[in-house]
This record gives sequence, C-alpha cells and structure tokens, in this order.
Amino acid sequence: SQTIHQWPATLVQPVGSPLSLECTVEGTSNPNLYWYRQAAGRGLQLLFYSVGIGQISSEVPQNLSASRPQDRQFILSSKKLLLSDSGFYLCAWRYGPGPYEQYFGPGTRLTVT
Amino acid sequence: EDQVTQSPEALRLQEGESSSLNCSYTVSGLRGLFWYRQDPGKGPEFLFTLYSAGEEKEKERLKATLTKKESFLHITAPKPEDSATYLCAVMNNNAGNMLTFGGGTRLMVKP
Repeated sequence: SQTIHQWPATLVQPVGSPLSLECTVEGTSNPNLYWYRQAAGRGLQLLFYSVGIGQISSEVPQNLSASRPQDRQFILSSKKLLLSDSGFYLCAWRYGPGPYEQYFGPGTRLTVT
Repeated sequence: EDQVTQSPEALRLQEGESSSLNCSYTVSGLRGLFWYRQDPGKGPEFLFTLYSAGEEKEKERLKATLTKKESFLHITAPKPEDSATYLCAVMNNNAGNMLTFGGGTRLMVKP
C-alpha cells in the first residue's frame, strides 16, 4: 500500500527566516506530486506540482519554490518567510497516468511570527 | 475559469437526521468531480470520484451523485463520527494536473 509522509508536523518560524518542508511517498513509482496551502477557513490552493524528477510547475507566483530531487521526494522551500506564508501546507500524490484522484499527506502547520 | 461553490458553509444535524451537501461547479469540460473528508488538523481523505452526469457512488452512510451543474453528497442517518469538513473539487479536461476546490461544508452531528 502507498503511504505519504510530511515533516515537520508543526513549525513556528520568524519573518525573514528560511523554510524547508519535506514530503515523501512510499509504495509507488513515478507519482505526480503536489503542494497545496490551506488558509484558515478557506479551500485548498495549489502551489506547485511535479510530474517527474526535476520537473516543477508553479501555479501561484510568490516567494516559495519547490524541488523534486528524487522520484518520491518533494520539497517546499523559501529563502525569506513572510507573515502571509502562515497556513496549513499539504502534500499530495496521484498515479501518473491516472486515475485522477489525489491522496493527501497529514500536513504541516506553519506559523510565521 | 473553473469555479466550485459549496453550500451550506456549515450544517448542524442531530444524529440520525439525514441531509445533503451541495457542490455547484462551472468547468469548460469536466474530467472528474472529487469528494474529500477533512478532519480538523489533518489532510483530506479521498471519498469518491464521479466522472459523468447520472453517476452515483456509495460508501457506508454517504452517497454522491452528479449532474451537469452540481453534485450532492447525501448523508443517511449520520452519526457523530461523520462530523468533519467535506470538500468538493473538479478537474478540467484541459488541466490534467489541477484540482479546483470549493470552500467546504463543515458538518456537525450531535448525539
């Protein structure tokens, strides 16, 4: 069976500090990978997705970036955090060729102070 | 631009009181409509995918239906453990990697 991990589970960072969130998937090969952000009381906003190693597509211009150094590893980064970066960050995966449903990880709660 | 609107924003039910959640969508070409359940502080849990109007899927007390403009999530005789936020999302035929989510319906079932 497939499992998706995210860490850390919670993070409190000061404004201007760097960020690195990690997501790994087990039990599948060549998945599509996604990063979402969920602001309090709001829906999910797609930030980045990747269809393969080194292939990153950005949906929302901002001070965040993503990388996929290995097939089942997806990393979300920032050089300098803003207050507006606070939120619940979710990683998701799906089978590359389909079906199309995405499966989500447990999430990381980021608070920028 | 794809749009998804869920109603109501919040719903309070007594245990055993059946009801429906609505998901209205606008998409140029629907590849699929997805329902998820999200508990507080956790990632969304996949429930159903619907691909075409008239399709229905069931899981325990939940039944999802689809028309050309909306989807309903029917909850029959809900229990307190059904309390959660239910999210609806659509995928456009021309945007194979994007899910557009609605704002969700927060369901509270009282014993």
